[in-house]
Amino acid sequence: DAKTTQPPSMDCAEGRAANLPCNHSTISGNEYVYWYRQIHSQGPQYIIHGLKNNETNEMASLIITEDRKSSTLILPHATLRDTAVYYCIVRVGNSGGSNYKLTFGKGTLLTVNP
Amino acid sequence: ETGVTQSPTHLIKTRGQQVTLRCSSQSGHNTVSWYQQALGQGPQFIFQYYREEENGRGNFPPRFSGLQFPNYSSELNVNALELDDSALYLCASSPGTVLQETQYFGPGTRLLVL
Repeated sequence: DAKTTQPPSMDCAEGRAANLPCNHSTISGNEYVYWYRQIHSQGPQYIIHGLKNNETNEMASLIITEDRKSSTLILPHATLRDTAVYYCIVRVGNSGGSNYKLTFGKGTLLTVNP
Repeated sequence: ETGVTQSPTHLIKTRGQQVTLRCSSQSGHNTVSWYQQALGQGPQFIFQYYREEENGRGNFPPRFSGLQFPNYSSELNVNALELDDSALYLCASSPGTVLQETQYFGPGTRLLVL
């Protein structure tokens, strides 16, 4: 799986959009970008994933650059409960029975301030 | 729909002992993955089970072993516990189909080895 690079920490004001960047310059054509977050001492929570098109769900939006070498996770209106470590992961997906592993880095600690 | 559950939530063992951790996968999921998360680090992949067979293994010694049962629940067994085995152990389940392989995590079991 391709390696990802994320800033170790970011701050965001409550109510503002939080934009979390991720570089994955060695991504392969069949690799998806996944985002998870982990609130202190809890299990990681799935947020969103995408291949090459931008994706949106009830939690966040995922913007992937045209060359797929980087992406941005957007939390449109951050709240204090969004304070967490956010992990960007690149992996082969949708291979049916060959699910295999997620390779986590250290992620970005997002702190949402009142 | 019931999410991924793990038991126990916390556990204290002494060096050299053996421990069994349990995981119930989300309804409809046939794949279970186990991860170890040391303090301050991202989760590290231990192994994965797909339809009761080991489907991949990370860089962990043989004293880490597992089982998956016909109902797709799973156990992680660790023999000859070492101090460095103190960590949060996470279980994740996924549907294991071609169209959807997102992994969903349980709350984890925190193991302390004294």
